[in-house]
Amino acid sequence: NAGVTQTPKFQVLKTGQSMTLQCAQDMNHEYMSWYRQDPGMGLRLIHYSVGAGITDQGEVPNGYNVSRSTTEDFPLRLLSAAPSQTSVYFCASSFAGGRNQPQHFGDGTRLSIL
Amino acid sequence: AQSVTQLGSHVSVSEGALVLLRCNYSSSVPPYLFWYVQYPNQGLQLLLKYTSAATLVKGINGFEAEFKKSETSFHLTKPSAHMSDAAEYFCAVSEQNQGGKLIFGQGTELSVKP
Repeated sequence: NAGVTQTPKFQVLKTGQSMTLQCAQDMNHEYMSWYRQDPGMGLRLIHYSVGAGITDQGEVPNGYNVSRSTTEDFPLRLLSAAPSQTSVYFCASSFAGGRNQPQHFGDGTRLSIL
Repeated sequence: AQSVTQLGSHVSVSEGALVLLRCNYSSSVPPYLFWYVQYPNQGLQLLLKYTSAATLVKGINGFEAEFKKSETSFHLTKPSAHMSDAAEYFCAVSEQNQGGKLIFGQGTELSVKP
């Protein structure tokens, strides 16, 4: 199994450009989430989904959109990139069934906004 | 609101010495706690989790953590550090109302000196 796959691994954008970060999982997990990692701040939740067609905001949702049309895929869209969105982005997935389910993480997308 | 605090953004130990990484949590409900490890340029990997079955939890790579309700702590330890343990370690608590969402501490970078 591939687990959680994120593409691209690296990306440089100019301010104002848009792009989509891809995330796919092959474990049939119901829950999927996007986090951003910034130095000294740990990981912060951007958006999450409990199943196809259902999404909700996390702690830092501004400037990002998500949708979930299938169980496997959960893309993250930056509508108009800003330097403050320079970060490392991680996608994670887990089974439903309670708060004790561990999340499985992808290897991240390192994004720089110039 | 739930929160996680990791004391010490950087910890340095000698090879063979005890590793102690501190984590304190705040939660109004019984917590589900996790420790993750992140090696350079990789995603997060689950070390261990506490889900109320036992207060001393053993994880991978010789790590263990003890849940102490009276101290609201979940410190991570390893009796003898190895060079390969050098990484960043994150403590996290599962969000109160729903699975699939984690609240992370700030992270602790562990260095191991030969």
